[in-house]
Amino acid sequence: DAGVIQSPRHEVTEMGQEVTLRCKPISGHDYLFWYRQTMMRGLELLIYFNNNVPIDDSGMPEDRFSAKMPNASFSTLKIQPSEPRDSAVYFCASSSSVADKYFGPGTRLTVT
Amino acid sequence: GQQVMQIPQYQHVQEGEDFTTYCNSSTTLSNIQWYKQRPGGHPVFLIQLVKSGEVKKQKRLTFQFGEAKKNSSLHITATQTTDVGTYFCAVSISGSARQLTFGSGTQLTVLP
Repeated sequence: DAGVIQSPRHEVTEMGQEVTLRCKPISGHDYLFWYRQTMMRGLELLIYFNNNVPIDDSGMPEDRFSAKMPNASFSTLKIQPSEPRDSAVYFCASSSSVADKYFGPGTRLTVT
Repeated sequence: GQQVMQIPQYQHVQEGEDFTTYCNSSTTLSNIQWYKQRPGGHPVFLIQLVKSGEVKKQKRLTFQFGEAKKNSSLHITATQTTDVGTYFCAVSISGSARQLTFGSGTQLTVLP
């Protein structure tokens, strides 16, 4: 099993540009989560899906952020327009049980 | 909002010494999970505790859930350099293990 796959692993962009982060969850997992990690705020849950349906997006910072899950094997997190304060590591995680979550390797985003 | 305090923030130990990190909540928890994140890596699920007073062991790691379900600890016996990383607790008060709030983490350094 390849685990959760995220792309790109690193992204450097200029303020105002659109950024799209991608995630492929583990096959068979019906929950998908997007987290953001910064030194200041730690690990924050942004949004999670169950069976491709967004369940809780209360952690999404603002309207510049949007997430989609068009099918069971793919999700995107989009930031438009990006700002320097969006710089962080964005993790995707998937789960099929009440217990463990499997995190992807993360995307390190730098907005200049 | 839900508050979870994790202490200490940093811990340096000599290889072979023991290590403990604590997670404290102001509210009764439904369950608690522990994760380990190596430097530059992603969080890896270690364990979930659900029952009051529960104690679980994984080799040199011992996890405890307080009787009042408001605190938890992770104890490592005889640390090794492979134990280096940040240890996070993640708590849920709603009964939904999906909606976890992560502690700020304890960064462990093991000196050889």
